[in-house]
Amino acid sequence: SAVISQKPSRDICQRGTSLTIQCQVDSQVTMMFWYRQQPGQSLTLIATANQGSEATYESGFVIDKFPISRPNLTFSTLTVSNMSPEDSSIYLCSVERNEKLFFGSGTQLSVL
Amino acid sequence: GDSVTQMEGPVTLSEEAFLTINCTYTATGYPSLFWYVQYPGEGLQLLLKATKADDKGSNKGFEATYRKETTSFHLEKGSVQVSDSAVYFCAPQRRALTFGSGTRLQVQP
Repeated sequence: SAVISQKPSRDICQRGTSLTIQCQVDSQVTMMFWYRQQPGQSLTLIATANQGSEATYESGFVIDKFPISRPNLTFSTLTVSNMSPEDSSIYLCSVERNEKLFFGSGTQLSVL
Repeated sequence: GDSVTQMEGPVTLSEEAFLTINCTYTATGYPSLFWYVQYPGEGLQLLLKATKADDKGSNKGFEATYRKETTSFHLEKGSVQVSDSAVYFCAPQRRALTFGSGTRLQVQP
């Protein structure tokens, strides 16, 4: 199994501010994924982060709004920029290892 | 792109009842198929998977069979317990997961 430490676990933020979510993995992984789970909805992939290259964003998500860093093979951050109430969601990071996917515990974000 | 249609919840069952949660998908080629579970207050966990047609994934009494002909991956359990109360997500995967809408299961004693 993979151990993923994600923080913060929850936060309440003001409109217009930014929040950076961190994910630390217990060993090196090639790909890290960031998902969003809006209230009452399914998980949606935001982007795929590979070390040493720019993240690949899914349709509907852009780098200016969700900048991602991947400085090494065990760490990644997702920033939610210029937040609005519509950004209130659970954000999850995920890694793949041995053909299995593992998830962080999630960050519950509320934007006022 | 890939998409998933999953049985709507909530599904409410009595303990020891038989469970089926339907899942059908559309995808290019033959993706791997997964069921994930999210217990209250916890992150997602892999429940089971199948990587090719006719494979059966199983774990904790849950089973699902990869049906290529019907593009389905229905989740079943013969006798549910209160501790199975959770949200279940069906997800085909090629490069990354595509999640279904989730089905909330409530098992009553």
